[in-house]
Amino acid sequence: EAQVTQNPRYLITVTGKKLTVTCSQNMNHEYMSWYRQDPGLGLRQIYYSMNVEVTDKGDVPEGYKVSRKEKRNFPLILESPSPNQTSLYFCASSSAGPVFGEQFFGPGTRLTVL
Amino acid sequence: QKEVEQDPGPLSVPEGAIVSLNCTYSNSAFQYFMWYRQYSRKGPELLMYTYSSGNKEDGRFTAQVDKSSKYISLFIRDSQPSDSATYLCTYQFYFGTGTSLTVIP
Repeated sequence: EAQVTQNPRYLITVTGKKLTVTCSQNMNHEYMSWYRQDPGLGLRQIYYSMNVEVTDKGDVPEGYKVSRKEKRNFPLILESPSPNQTSLYFCASSSAGPVFGEQFFGPGTRLTVL
Repeated sequence: QKEVEQDPGPLSVPEGAIVSLNCTYSNSAFQYFMWYRQYSRKGPELLMYTYSSGNKEDGRFTAQVDKSSKYISLFIRDSQPSDSATYLCTYQFYFGTGTSLTVIP
């Protein structure tokens, strides 16, 4: 089954404790993105990657890091989480990029930073 | 000004009603738009896309773009309870805030 998986699905942590949210896709897509979704603000892109070792900032990259060492994986790293990073996070992948291509989203990771 | 702005709703309609969901966009160069549907506790899924001006129809759903007014619309005919979800308009990676729709049986 073609899918994007994220782990963990739910996470409660404390300020300053480094964490990683994993994302994996099995569709051999070049493009992958991370979004956060907040009430009243909608989906906002954090980082995106056009291929292995190629990443770039989205609209809200502060406080986040990413890496793309393998085509299928695109982990999101919060090195020192803060309460304002409490949000619902989605990973997405696309074969043709977000301009013309359908984005396939993961199920989401709900993060709470205390 | 946000790249894509969307009526926040929420909308609540009776089953069988015609629903109109609307967005505006800021950049006149935008030509390719998509609508995603997001059920509660799920990731968004592509509903349909439309290119430039005109209409695109897919079953009970019609997507419309009016370039002169930079207006994007999604119409749902004969709405069903299964249509209850949040609808997101998007250009590239710019998403509207989403409109929550509830269809009451």
